[in-house]
Amino acid sequence: AQSVAQPEDQVNVAEGNPLTVKCTYSVSGNPYLFWYVQYPNRGLQFLLKYITGDNLVKGSYGFEAEFNKSQTSFHLKKPSALVSDSALYFCAVREGRNAGNNRKLIWGLGTSLAVNP
Amino acid sequence: GAVVSQHPSWVICKSGTSVKIECRSLDFQATTMFWYRQFPKQSLMLMATSNEGSKATYEQGVEKDKFLINHASLTLSTLTVTSAHPEDSSFYICSAVPQLNTEAFFGQGTRLTVV
Repeated sequence: AQSVAQPEDQVNVAEGNPLTVKCTYSVSGNPYLFWYVQYPNRGLQFLLKYITGDNLVKGSYGFEAEFNKSQTSFHLKKPSALVSDSALYFCAVREGRNAGNNRKLIWGLGTSLAVNP
Repeated sequence: GAVVSQHPSWVICKSGTSVKIECRSLDFQATTMFWYRQFPKQSLMLMATSNEGSKATYEQGVEKDKFLINHASLTLSTLTVTSAHPEDSSFYICSAVPQLNTEAFFGQGTRLTVV
């Protein structure tokens, strides 16, 4: 069965320190992987994606993520956290190109990131 | 990125009444849109997949007669919560994937409160 795990409900980091938000997945075939961010009472904003190619992908607001096929992980990272990065982060996966028109995403439970000044 | 607009942002209604939420793709055509429900501090729960010109596909456990979905055009899908009850109070979010994109774009969400 397809699934996404975000093992940490909450991550706390000090401003200026590097941050990591973890994500592991289970999906058949080659996955498409995504990270989204949600601010309070707002919809989700797309941060970055891995489709194919270089395992390290860079996205919005200085975030990046590394696709690790052997560990089935796609951890989100940022070298230097900002207080404004405090939000809810979601990892999502769907089957890759062979999925046809199935664009349904499988979502992690979310990780609340708190960056302390 | 592509823009998805959701309206209203918030709504308060009385028990027993119906509420309609609109989801529009502003700069692309969307043959498929997705409706989610989100409880406080929880993940997204997919309710249904809205298909332009055909019936929506509902996820297991979602009452199709209660949550009516209409995808009448390539840029508009609507979710109507019929005979709303307090337990329907939640944050509803729609999303769509442009044809040449792989990532989904989301509306701003609608906070529904049923009193």
